[in-house]
Amino acid sequence: RKEVEQDPGPFNVPEGATVAFNCTYSNSASQSFFWYRQDCRKEPKLLMSVYSSGNEDGRFTAQLNRASQYISLLIRDSKLSDSATYLCVVNVRGGAGTALIFGKGTTLSVSS
Amino acid sequence: EPEVTQTPSHQVTQMGQEVILRCVPISNHLYFYWYRQILGQKVEFLVSFYNNEISEKSEIFDDQFSVERPDGSNFTLKIRSTKLEDSAMYFCASSDQGGQLSPLHFGNGTRLTVT
Repeated sequence: RKEVEQDPGPFNVPEGATVAFNCTYSNSASQSFFWYRQDCRKEPKLLMSVYSSGNEDGRFTAQLNRASQYISLLIRDSKLSDSATYLCVVNVRGGAGTALIFGKGTTLSVSS
Repeated sequence: EPEVTQTPSHQVTQMGQEVILRCVPISNHLYFYWYRQILGQKVEFLVSFYNNEISEKSEIFDDQFSVERPDGSNFTLKIRSTKLEDSAMYFCASSDQGGQLSPLHFGNGTRLTVT
C-alpha cells in the first residue's frame, strides 16, 4: 500500500462548484497532516494544516479521520484561480527535521 | 514575506559531471531540506539537515549526494556524478521548527537536466 494515496483526477468543475478531495495514508503513527497546492512546474505551497478537530480557512475545509487514516479537503465556490494540483502531505515521525511524505496529487481544473 | 531562494533556476549538465545546487533558506529557519520531483511524479524527500548535520535521508540520497551549509546563509546539494535519472526539479525547503505541525517553505526549484 502506498504511503499517501490520492485520486489523481483530473477533477473538471465549473466555477462556483463544490469539490472534495480524499487522501489515505498507510502509517498509523503519522503525526501531522497538510494540504499543499502546486501550480504547474512550480514549488508546492502550503494551503492549510489539518487538525484532528477539522479546520476551515475561508472556502477551504480540511478534515482528518485518524481511525480510518483518511484526510479530506473541501473547496466551496470554486474559482478559476483554484485550478492546480492539490497535494496531501503527511509527517510520519514528528521529530526534528523529519520528512514530509507527499501524495502524487489531485488535479483540479475550474472552468468558466 | 521572506522566501527561500534557489539558484540556478535551470541547470543543464552532461552525465558524469558534478553539479551543485544552491539554496538560501529563510534567515531565522533552522531546519533545511531537499526534495526532488521527476516530471509527472510526486515530490520525493531526499534529506533533512539540522544543527550542521543530516537528520534524516531517504534511499534516494546515496553516496553520490551530499549537502553542506558552508556559511550562515547558503545550503547546497551536490551530486557528484550525475546520471540521466537525476533529471528532475530539485526543491529546497526550510522550516523554523522541526517536525510536528511545522510546515515547510519551499524555494521555486532548480530544474536539472542531465544529458
